[in-house]
Amino acid sequence: GAGVSQSPSNKVTEKGKDVELRCDPISGHTALYWYRQSLGQGLEFLIYFQGNSAPDKSGLPSDRFSAERTGGSVSTLTIQRTQQEDSAVYLCASSQDRGTHNEQFFGPGTRLTVL
Amino acid sequence: GNSVTQMEGPVTLSEEAFLTINCTYTATGYPSLFWYVQYPGEGLQLLLKATKADDKGSNKGFEATYRKETTSFHLEKGSVQVSDSAVYFCAATAGNKLTFGGGTRVLVKP
Repeated sequence: GAGVSQSPSNKVTEKGKDVELRCDPISGHTALYWYRQSLGQGLEFLIYFQGNSAPDKSGLPSDRFSAERTGGSVSTLTIQRTQQEDSAVYLCASSQDRGTHNEQFFGPGTRLTVL
Repeated sequence: GNSVTQMEGPVTLSEEAFLTINCTYTATGYPSLFWYVQYPGEGLQLLLKATKADDKGSNKGFEATYRKETTSFHLEKGSVQVSDSAVYFCAATAGNKLTFGGGTRVLVKP
């Protein structure tokens, strides 16, 4: 595709429910990243994929958060037993390869609201 | 780990005014530095980047120079327009992830 796409664009859920957020990276990009943007915490790194493996999961805030990537393409971020503090915009980014100089292209984000 | 500090906003300016947004970083090694911009209702876009000391990134009239001696990457534009109203994020790479500053909201009034 032309850019990184994410779905849904908005998700409202009740506390305690599970949610899945999807990211479609730019075709051919091997690296994929999840970030979270919230009022209190700014932009935080969550997890990084190189291909289908996740060498850096250091930003996942708790074991309720997990992510996978299949076929070196689509990624899903799952939040189990959602809490109100999970409310945020979840951003996905991709880049051509790993490395510090490669530009990360961001998707429009999924706005998650936990009631 | 790395950290990025940028001036808090909001910054309110008149059209054609000079804009500076300060950004400093702490890092091990030599990170690449970035400025991202988020226009109202849109996603994050890369504005400019610099990958080594003394490099100057520039785009859309914005400039920033990678200063290793002061660990800074201040963003400047000589004459802002209303369309520059946005939130600006300074960022540094730490391995494979970006560490962001808190963002600076800029409002340009006609």
